[in-house]
Amino acid sequence: GQSLEQPSEVTAVEGAIVQINCTYQTSGFYGLSWYQQHDGGAPTFLSYNALDGLEETGRFSSFLSRSDSYGYLLLQELQMKDSASYFCAVRDSVDYKLSFGAGTTVTVRA
Amino acid sequence: EPEVTQTPSHQVTQMGQEVILRCVPISNHLYFYWYRQILGQKVEFLVSFYNNEISEKSEIFDDQFSVERPDGSNFTLKIRSTKLEDSAMYFCASSEGIAAYNEQFFGPGTRLTVL
Repeated sequence: GQSLEQPSEVTAVEGAIVQINCTYQTSGFYGLSWYQQHDGGAPTFLSYNALDGLEETGRFSSFLSRSDSYGYLLLQELQMKDSASYFCAVRDSVDYKLSFGAGTTVTVRA
Repeated sequence: EPEVTQTPSHQVTQMGQEVILRCVPISNHLYFYWYRQILGQKVEFLVSFYNNEISEKSEIFDDQFSVERPDGSNFTLKIRSTKLEDSAMYFCASSEGIAAYNEQFFGPGTRLTVL
């Protein structure tokens, strides 16, 4: 099975940088993804890492270290619209199921 | 931009009743999924579906649940006899392929309330 750990909530001001860490345990690893969810709406895909290193997509970056079973999502130049829940998710290489972490609620204040 | 759609947006039912949740995946996608999210909790995988059969299912997806692709566009989740604990948001998702880099596109969800 899989288990993922991420902080439950983070608060920051506009313009700041937030890092959301995710550690995982999985029987077979096939990639770490990040999803954003506003107010219980549809989760939307943000990024995916299969190999070690940093992937940058605009203001958001995602990092993976497979040896440490660890990744993070970096939110830069925070905007009010970034207030949302962020989930890390791992895809198992055996059954391909996507398992989500409990989510981190990011609150951006003016 | 193509999107996954779900109907109804909100379903209220009595305990023990059957419900069918409907989804229209993105047209060129081959893999379909159902997830549920109990209020305030994480998104949980229920089932994946490919080539007209279930490819994976979780422990949550017991005999009360079934999925079907009745035609070329719809993908349904049936709960045969609903329980109070089935109250949750149910999300349908689809992807082009099964590989991890194949982004899963989620629908807006159906909020199921079992009374």
